[in-house]
Amino acid sequence: KAGVTQTPRYLIKTRGQQVTLSCSPISGHRSVSWYQQTPGQGLQFLFEYFSETQRNKGNFPGRFSGRQFSNSRSEMNVSTLELGDSALYLCASSLVGQYQETQYFGPGTRLLVL
Amino acid sequence: GENVEQHPSTLSVQEGDSAVIKCTYSDSASNYFPWYKQELGKGPQLIIDIRSNVGEKKDQRIAVTLNKTAKHFSLHITETQPEDSAVYFCAASYHSSASKIIFGSGTRLSIRP
Repeated sequence: KAGVTQTPRYLIKTRGQQVTLSCSPISGHRSVSWYQQTPGQGLQFLFEYFSETQRNKGNFPGRFSGRQFSNSRSEMNVSTLELGDSALYLCASSLVGQYQETQYFGPGTRLLVL
Repeated sequence: GENVEQHPSTLSVQEGDSAVIKCTYSDSASNYFPWYKQELGKGPQLIIDIRSNVGEKKDQRIAVTLNKTAKHFSLHITETQPEDSAVYFCAASYHSSASKIIFGSGTRLSIRP
């Protein structure tokens, strides 16, 4: 069974631009979560999608948004990029996102904002 | 909200020796504690987890202990091998969703040959 895939793996953008990252969950998984990983802040939860609806949201500004499609694939978008948005963005999937359910992480998309 | 502190931030041990990573959490309502291993260029991978109704769980060379009274839990790796070199994250969760977990800051474990 294929794991969680994320595209692209690396991305370079400049301040003010916007970016869209994509995540394909494990087949059959309907819950997709997004995390931001930085050396200073560690792993921080962005949001979770289930059945095309945002179910949970972390403490990030409105510039960070996402969506989920009917096939459970998810995208996240960051508008008006700032230097501080440089990070590894991780996507994780689980069956239905129930409490204590194992999350499976993808390899991440490394975003560099210049 | 929940806060998870992890120590040490870096750890170097001789191959074959044991490694211990410790975490403390702030919210007494937390009752699920997963541990993740992240290798270079990869996403975190769950290696073991423990729930608050048990004090210890073991899986081959890896064990986790939980002290709910003191609000701390630890990861023990015995007979360390080169492939154990990675960054390890502890986490705590009490929400109804699998995604609402708070991660520790990570421990970079290096195994010396």
